[in-house]
Amino acid sequence: GEDVEQSLFLSVREGDSSVINCTYTDSSSTYLYWYKQEPGAGLQLLTYIFSNMDMKQDQRLTVLLNKKDKHLSLRIADTQTGDSAIYFCAERGTDSWGKLQFGAGTQVVVTP
Amino acid sequence: GAVVSQHPSRVICKSGTSVKIECRSLDFQATTMFWYRQFPKQSLMLMATSNEGSKATYEQGVEKDKFLINHASLTLSTLTVTSAHPEDSSFYICSADPGTGDTEAFFGQGTRLTVV
Repeated sequence: GEDVEQSLFLSVREGDSSVINCTYTDSSSTYLYWYKQEPGAGLQLLTYIFSNMDMKQDQRLTVLLNKKDKHLSLRIADTQTGDSAIYFCAERGTDSWGKLQFGAGTQVVVTP
Repeated sequence: GAVVSQHPSRVICKSGTSVKIECRSLDFQATTMFWYRQFPKQSLMLMATSNEGSKATYEQGVEKDKFLINHASLTLSTLTVTSAHPEDSSFYICSADPGTGDTEAFFGQGTRLTVV
C-alpha cells in the first residue's frame, strides 16, 4: 500500500522558521495536505497543494513539493507558541477520492 | 467552509457495552463519509468508507461486526463500537466528502473513547 513518512519531532525557537518534511510513495497522488492537530482536538486543514504545483504560499505557510522525489515540506515562518501541535501530511490518490493516507505526524514544540 | 459535527466528543463506557458515535454534515450533503481511528502517538488509520444507502466498505483488519456503520441519510453516519474492550479505547474521527469534487475532506472534531 501507499506510505507516507514524516519525522516525528521538531523543536524550534519562537520567531524562527519551522520546516516539517514528508515523503510519500504513491506516484498517482493528486492532492497533498497539511493538517494541524492540537491536543485532544480534531484536524484543522492548514493548506494543500495540487500535485502539478511545486510551491504554494499562504501567509506564514509555504508548501514545497518535489514530485520527482515525492517529497513535501511545510515551512512555517515566524513560528509562534500557538503553532505547537502535531502536524500531519496526507495524500489523496486518484482511485480513492475522499480517502486520505496520513503520515505518523510531526510533533512541533515551540520554545520561548 | 463546510462543517462536520461529531458527537460525543468524549465517552467512557464499560467493557462489554456498545457505544454509538455520530457524524453529521451540517451544511452540506455527504454521499460518502470516512471513519478513522487514531491510537496514542500514532497516525490516523482509515477504518471504513460509509456510503449513503449502501453497505460500508471496511479496510483490511477492521471487524465489520464489531464496528457497525450506518449511513441512513445524506447528513448522518453512525459508528457503533459493539462489545467494547479496553483495546478499543482510541480517538475516532470522521470525515465527509460532499461528492462535488472538492479538494478537501471535512473532518469532525473527533471522539475520545475510553473503555474501562
